[in-house]
Amino acid sequence: SAVISQKPSRDICQRGTSLTIQCQVDSQVTMMFWYRQQPGQSLTLIATANQGSEATYESGFVIDKFPISRPNLTFSTLTVSNMSPEDSSIYLCSVEWGHLSTEAFFGQGTRLTVV
Amino acid sequence: QKEVEQDPGPLSVPEGAIVSLNCTYSNSAFQYFMWYRQYSRKGPELLMYTYSSGNKEDGRFTAQVDKSSKYISLFIRDSQPSDSATYLCAMSAHSSASKIIFGSGTRLSIRP
Repeated sequence: SAVISQKPSRDICQRGTSLTIQCQVDSQVTMMFWYRQQPGQSLTLIATANQGSEATYESGFVIDKFPISRPNLTFSTLTVSNMSPEDSSIYLCSVEWGHLSTEAFFGQGTRLTVV
Repeated sequence: QKEVEQDPGPLSVPEGAIVSLNCTYSNSAFQYFMWYRQYSRKGPELLMYTYSSGNKEDGRFTAQVDKSSKYISLFIRDSQPSDSATYLCAMSAHSSASKIIFGSGTRLSIRP
């Protein structure tokens, strides 16, 4: 399985600012994913990040609000832009393990509080 | 109606008890079924993975899939306090991790 390191583990931010979350994997992976986990709710996929192409966003999520970079096969960043208290959540990086696999592995998450 | 329904709990049982966690789903195309365990302030970790119907056993954990009833279960035998966590069911119709649908999770507490 992959080892996924996510930074920061938590942060408290002022509304209107932006936060960039980093995700580092110890192996090369094709697909990386960014999820949001709100209290009492299921994991919601924000976008899929493939190296060398634009990220694919799910319904309800837009690039201006959640820009994503994927410069290589082991690293990705998610930025939460112009934050409001509604963006307070846990953000999780995930990777698909193996090609055409439903096995997904997760980082430890970033707990974001916007005040 | 959500595609995947899971009772949020919390569920509290004494140490040594058999725990039964369940999910129902509405999409008959789902054929990949997973259970994740998530400890507090950690990311989810893959616990069990099943393709199509049937049972799968791994140590104290057994996963069951009943596609005719659109119902999946996770059983934990001889439960331990270290099993206290949130358990998320997950499923997909496609062989791609980009199409996984997660339940909202059941919070489980094992009392010593």
